[in-house]
Amino acid sequence: NAGVTQTPKFQVLKTGQSMTLQCAQDMNHEYMSWYRQDPGMGLRLIHYSVGAGITDQGEVPNGYNVSRSTTEDFPLRLLSAAPSQTSVYFCASASGWGQPQHFGDGTRLSIL
Amino acid sequence: DAKTTQPNSMESNEEEPVHLPCNHSTISGTDYIHWYRQLPSQGPEYVIHGLTSNVNNRMASLAIAEDRKSSTLILHRATLRDAAVYYCILRDVVDDMRFGAGTRLTVKP
Repeated sequence: NAGVTQTPKFQVLKTGQSMTLQCAQDMNHEYMSWYRQDPGMGLRLIHYSVGAGITDQGEVPNGYNVSRSTTEDFPLRLLSAAPSQTSVYFCASASGWGQPQHFGDGTRLSIL
Repeated sequence: DAKTTQPNSMESNEEEPVHLPCNHSTISGTDYIHWYRQLPSQGPEYVIHGLTSNVNNRMASLAIAEDRKSSTLILHRATLRDAAVYYCILRDVVDDMRFGAGTRLTVKP
């Protein structure tokens, strides 16, 4: 079982560059979300989706875009990378709102 | 949002039980108590959740105080693989999860 797969695992960007972090799940889960985790801190919610075609903002959405065209995929786009976005990004999925979430192994992103 | 308070760190000896406390004095009647853990360099992993009654699963037990203002995650026999940061999270059916700093559990051989 693949579960939640995130790519890439590591990425270094220059300030101002854009990129897309990929997240895919094979559990047919309706709910998906993106979090960021800064050193020594807990996770903070960026964006989430309760189903294909539906997305909403979380706690820290500025500088990020998402879309959900399929149930399986939930990409996170950085529009113009800034050093403050250096973090570890986690994607998660769940069978429904309020259900236990399954997390990927994260993407470690550094912005110079 | 209802908040939780956890100790920053705890230590345990291998093969001994571990009781991880969590205070949530402002919990509402519809808040579920969720526990996740995060092993080094991995994403969080669901451990257990409950509403009012104590809960058991293959990983742990969750003991919830009668007034629901506190709860305890119980690992019955700690192993070295249980060393992780443990997060106690309150979650209403209409809220998403808010992670705090959690408790860093160290397991000594």
